[in-house]
Amino acid sequence: QVQLRESGPGVVKPSETLSLDCAVSNFSIASGYYWGWIRQPPGQGLEWIGSIFHSGSTFYNPSLNSRVSISLDTSRNFFSLKLTSVTAADTAMYFCVRSIIHESSGYGFWGQGILVTVSS
Amino acid sequence: SSELTQPSSLSVSPGQTANITCSGVKLDDKITCWYHQRPGQSPVLVIYRNAVRPSEIPERISGFISGNTATLTITGTQATDEGVYYCQLWGGNSDGVFGPGTKVTVL
Repeated sequence: QVQLRESGPGVVKPSETLSLDCAVSNFSIASGYYWGWIRQPPGQGLEWIGSIFHSGSTFYNPSLNSRVSISLDTSRNFFSLKLTSVTAADTAMYFCVRSIIHESSGYGFWGQGILVTVSS
Repeated sequence: SSELTQPSSLSVSPGQTANITCSGVKLDDKITCWYHQRPGQSPVLVIYRNAVRPSEIPERISGFISGNTATLTITGTQATDEGVYYCQLWGGNSDGVFGPGTKVTVL
């Protein structure tokens, strides 16, 4: 069973760049599927950040498009999220995910999430 | 705020049927999926491609599309079904959009 685990700093200063990694176990990210990021502010709903296909094609939430980038590192079997110019509104639990099939139709695998707080 | 609409909450008695709706955009060219999130846990995919259940999801959970409304139906509701249910759309300008979520309480 594929497993995902997020890692990165728990606190980021305003205006800086949030960088998170997702380590993937029991499956090669180069083999297929969409790999993505979703976030959830405390006490609120889910927000799709974006995804990357195993080929490297990326898809981003238009509301975050100018600040977000997702990349793959197939040699180390993880993928990454970068979100620039963060504000308090970016404080959230960040989840890394994998699509259940080889298309954008739902994420069947989730990491446990990592809480990132934007604070000086 | 989401372009999608879901009821904010729903109460259901054990053993009864819960219907959770998701609407707000034309669904003709969209694919819908549904997630269940229990407090303090990561969401779990319960329906994808409008009506397909992942292998570990019981048959009493189903999804369907009628017109511009997607519906998640839980029959024989159990205490373990409590939590928040989110719809998510794929296709066109709605790619990845989540609904606001419906909190289901089993009384």
